[in-house]
Amino acid sequence: EPEVTQTPSHQVTQMGQEVILRCVPISNHLYFYWYRQILGQKVEFLVSFYNNEISEKSEIFDDQFSVERPDGSNFTLKIRSTKLEDSAMYFCASRGTGFGGYTFGSGTRLTVV
Amino acid sequence: AQKVTQAQTEISVVEKEDVTLDCVYETRDTTYYLFWYKQPPSGELVFLIRRNSFDEQNEISGRYSWNFQKSTSSFNFTITASQVVDSAVYFCALTGGNTGNQFYFGTGTSLTVIP
Repeated sequence: EPEVTQTPSHQVTQMGQEVILRCVPISNHLYFYWYRQILGQKVEFLVSFYNNEISEKSEIFDDQFSVERPDGSNFTLKIRSTKLEDSAMYFCASRGTGFGGYTFGSGTRLTVV
Repeated sequence: AQKVTQAQTEISVVEKEDVTLDCVYETRDTTYYLFWYKQPPSGELVFLIRRNSFDEQNEISGRYSWNFQKSTSSFNFTITASQVVDSAVYFCALTGGNTGNQFYFGTGTSLTVIP
């Protein structure tokens, strides 16, 4: 079964450093997403991306965050200057034209120290 | 507004008991989808079921069953004869066909099955 692949599974970074989280969506999918889950809390929407541009973003997705699809396969989330409160699990997701194939990756656990 | 409420924060049951996890949703959309995910301690989201708003048939998959009732805006999940491996956090989620394509998650129910 097709998978959404996220790397790394766990990343530790120092406060103030830039971090890039990587995702390889399912190959024929058209819509891409990032979600965040702070430890012990619910999963929250960050951003959606379609046709090479952001289609929706939440209040959490401020100027510190950016997304990019640099080639035909990767989808990245960049945090420019990490803060302690950015520590969370970050999930990538993708889907095709319908909602039936909405698939989440296994997540990247980001720890900011 | 789109909203999912899981009123049960934590549930503990003894192995082999049945347990029902509640999910109540709010949406403006006429077409929408409801999901349940399991999140084990390792952290990944494991897909359990998807339901669209036009299909109110209840579904059974092994020890799992789901009761979708549009009249009460509920999509409850029952585990029959619970096992220790069912211990996890369970999330209910909603996405709509008209008002955007993001998922709205509930706050989750942490289920502990005691041997």
